[in-house]
Amino acid sequence: EIVLTQSPGTLSLSPGERATLSCRASDSFSSSYLVWYQQKPGQAPRLLIYAASRRATGIPDRFSGSGSGTDFTLTISRLEPEDFATYYCHQYAYSPRTFGQGTKVEIK
Amino acid sequence: EVQLVESGGGLVQPGRSLRLSCAASGFTFDDYAMHWVRQAPGKGLEWVSGINWKSDSIGYADSVKGRFTISRDNAKNSLSLEMNSLRPEDTALYYCVKDSTPQLWSIGGMDVWGQGTTVTVSS
Repeated sequence: EIVLTQSPGTLSLSPGERATLSCRASDSFSSSYLVWYQQKPGQAPRLLIYAASRRATGIPDRFSGSGSGTDFTLTISRLEPEDFATYYCHQYAYSPRTFGQGTKVEIK
Repeated sequence: EVQLVESGGGLVQPGRSLRLSCAASGFTFDDYAMHWVRQAPGKGLEWVSGINWKSDSIGYADSVKGRFTISRDNAKNSLSLEMNSLRPEDTALYYCVKDSTPQLWSIGGMDVWGQGTTVTVSS
């Protein structure tokens, strides 16, 4: 099973700042199968990024993804108030599909 | 509007069974793979099971393999999860999730999520 480790666990930032979230895998896999989700309290997750770097429909361009192999990054260029949430990376290159434990982006 | 509505959750004793259902609308159901993903209270996401558009490719998490069975009825636009031998660690909010492709292992990701149904396993 591929274990995804996200860091940091919590990121405290102010609106307008840049957020950089890391997702590290226990084994290398194709970036085609790396996805990022956003989840706000009491809501279902929302697809942000697929194939490591492609924005899903309707996702603002302040969200970007990068990476390959075992190291992947989600960047939010300038935090908007609605971006404070928990973010999960997810791989489905190998079964079973796995998620990272999440990074909470909170208002500083 | 694309919509997924889960039902069937509730309180159940350990060892008993429960069947979850998901009603899909607003899209061509048999064009897409479907999944169940769960989230224990205060915890992260865990993929449970997935099924491709024509039910000939199915996958399960190791934690539920042999106990849970996923199925779909394309004529009724519905997805189901039969859960047997339930354990306290199965307690979670269960989401019905649409894939963006017909197959389980294609590029695209899970793009539409329902609001979930809560399963509590306790004596």
